Formats: sequence, structure tokens, C-alpha cells
Amino acid sequence: SAVISQKPSRDICQRGTSLTIQCQVDSQVTMMFWYRQQPGQSLTLIATANQGSEATYESGFVIDKFPISRPNLTFSTLTVSNMSPEDSSIYLCSVEDQAGETQYFGPGTRLLVL
Amino acid sequence: AQKVTQAQTEISVVEKEDVTLDCVYETRDTTYYLFWYKQPPSGELVFLIRRNSFDEQNEISGRYSWNFQKSTSSFNFTITASQVVDSAVYFCALRPSGGSYIPTFGRGTSLIVHP
Repeated sequence: SAVISQKPSRDICQRGTSLTIQCQVDSQVTMMFWYRQQPGQSLTLIATANQGSEATYESGFVIDKFPISRPNLTFSTLTVSNMSPEDSSIYLCSVEDQAGETQYFGPGTRLLVL
Repeated sequence: AQKVTQAQTEISVVEKEDVTLDCVYETRDTTYYLFWYKQPPSGELVFLIRRNSFDEQNEISGRYSWNFQKSTSSFNFTITASQVVDSAVYFCALRPSGGSYIPTFGRGTSLIVHP
């Protein structure tokens, strides 16, 4: 399985500010995924990021709030914009294995918005 | 539409007890994958197992075992002789083997193992 790293691992931010989360994979992957996990909840997919094209957002998530970059096949960023306390969550980056069968997850970024 | 139900919100056991985490799913797809992930307090989601819908053989990996029963749409996970390090939230997930690659996750079961 791919080795996935995320930065930062955690952060405390003030409302109204923005935070960019980085996701780095040790191998080239076609698709990368960004998930949100609100406290005590399950995972919710924010968007799918393909290299060379705009990210595809799930219902309830918009590009203005969660802009995503995918400059190459090993890296992606997710920005949480104009943050509010409701954005306090764990944000997880994920990739599929080469067979397209299993998603593997990064260590997550714990975000607390005050 | 797909659905994964983990009816147990929280389970508390004492070390060395056996514990079974239930997972029941709904899908109209004829072929699909089922997964279990472990999320320790650190927050990372750790992949444990993938099972293809046409493979109903049970699987054992050390103290972990999985019981897949297509007839009851269940994919239960048993930990034998539980340890404190098993304390985590466990998620069951489902995705079709073709088409959408996005898994549907259950709400998770929090397992607390007391020393």
C-alpha cells in the first residue's frame, strides 16, 4: 500500500481564517480523495481530485469553501476557507491502490476552529 | 442506494475477552467489496481487510477474524483475547466493484478495552 503523509497533523485556527492541508503520496496515483470526519461521526467525502482536471465535489461541498489543488500525481492540497467552528473536524486524504479496489488513508489533520 | 449499519455505537470489554463487532449492509449491486478499518485515538484510519462479495470464506489474521454471510448481508468482525491496544473506533464500509469507487461507511463502533 502507498505511504501517505499529511501536513499539518493538527492545528488550532481562528474563525474567518483559512488553512491549507497538504497530502503527499510516495507513489504516483490517479485519484486522490479528501474526506471530513466531524467529531464522533463517520467519514464524509468532500471531493475527488484528479491530476490535470478540476476536483469533483460531493453534494454539500463547494469549491469556494474547499478549494483543492492537484499539481502532480503524488501531491494534493485542500484549503478550508473562511473557517467557522463547524469546520472543526479531522480531514483525511485518501488514495486507491493500483487495482482500484481499496482506499488507503493518510494520518489525518485535526482542525479546531475557535 | 447503499447502506452500512453498525448498530453498536460503543462496546466496553475487559482485556482478554472476545468481542464481535457487527456490520450489516444493503446494496443492489451483485458484486461489491466490504472493508473494515480501524481508527485509533491518533485519528489515522488503518485498513484491516477487504472482502470480495463472491468470496464467502471466513478469514483469520492473528487475533482478528471476519465472518462474511451473504445470506444475511453481514460482515462481522471478531477480536479474540482483546487487548488495550485494540481500543479504537472500527468502521465497516461497502463499495461496488464497478462504477462508483466511493465507499459507503458505517457510523463506526467505538471499542474500549479496559485493563
